[in-house]
Amino acid sequence: GNSVTQMEGPVTLSEEAFLTINCTYTATGYPSLFWYVQYPGEGLQLLLKATKADDKGSNKGFEATYRKETTSFHLEKGSVQVSDSAVYFCALNNYGQNFVFGPGTRLSVLP
Amino acid sequence: ETGVTQTPRHLVMGMTNKKSLKCEQHLGHNAMYWYKQSAKKPLELMFVYNFKEQTENNSVPSRFSPECPNSSHLFLHLHTLQPEDSALYLCASSQGGVLAGERNEQFFGPGTRLTVL
Repeated sequence: GNSVTQMEGPVTLSEEAFLTINCTYTATGYPSLFWYVQYPGEGLQLLLKATKADDKGSNKGFEATYRKETTSFHLEKGSVQVSDSAVYFCALNNYGQNFVFGPGTRLSVLP
Repeated sequence: ETGVTQTPRHLVMGMTNKKSLKCEQHLGHNAMYWYKQSAKKPLELMFVYNFKEQTENNSVPSRFSPECPNSSHLFLHLHTLQPEDSALYLCASSQGGVLAGERNEQFFGPGTRLTVL
């Protein structure tokens, strides 16, 4: 079946540091891939997505590239801010099947 | 109102109470979902509705009873809950859903923080 694996963290960085959160997936065919972010006390918000191999999703300085050869969708940001502190979820959606979410990675950015 | 709304945002109830959670989506979607989010556990899919029909029930105890009267509204009726049911309950919606074979993103509400005493 489909599955998503991501580093669980917590990840603690200083402001302006480079961020990478790894995500790998297992799925048949060509799922869509997503990153969601959850700020404290809120629901999940879609951060970015990619629907086919080599697509790059980007939003708010974050980006992730759909790598079918390595079945990965790593999230990166060049310079994190304190306001980026949140939990980040990698997810996939495959044809005719329900969403699958990773366990989430908690990011804390210190000033 | 825009997006997905949930009420109430916070709920405290005793084990013998009956309460309901409400979700409403203003996006014209035809699939709606209930998730449970507990501390230090992965997101758990509870129920899925496509075009008002329940298409998924992930072995959820009968003390949780969903209702989907139309494509815009979803309820979760609660009765005789246990303390371990305390969690954040999230509602989501999407266009298409499983029946349509789509791979679209889900849009989430802010959640209801439930505490069972």
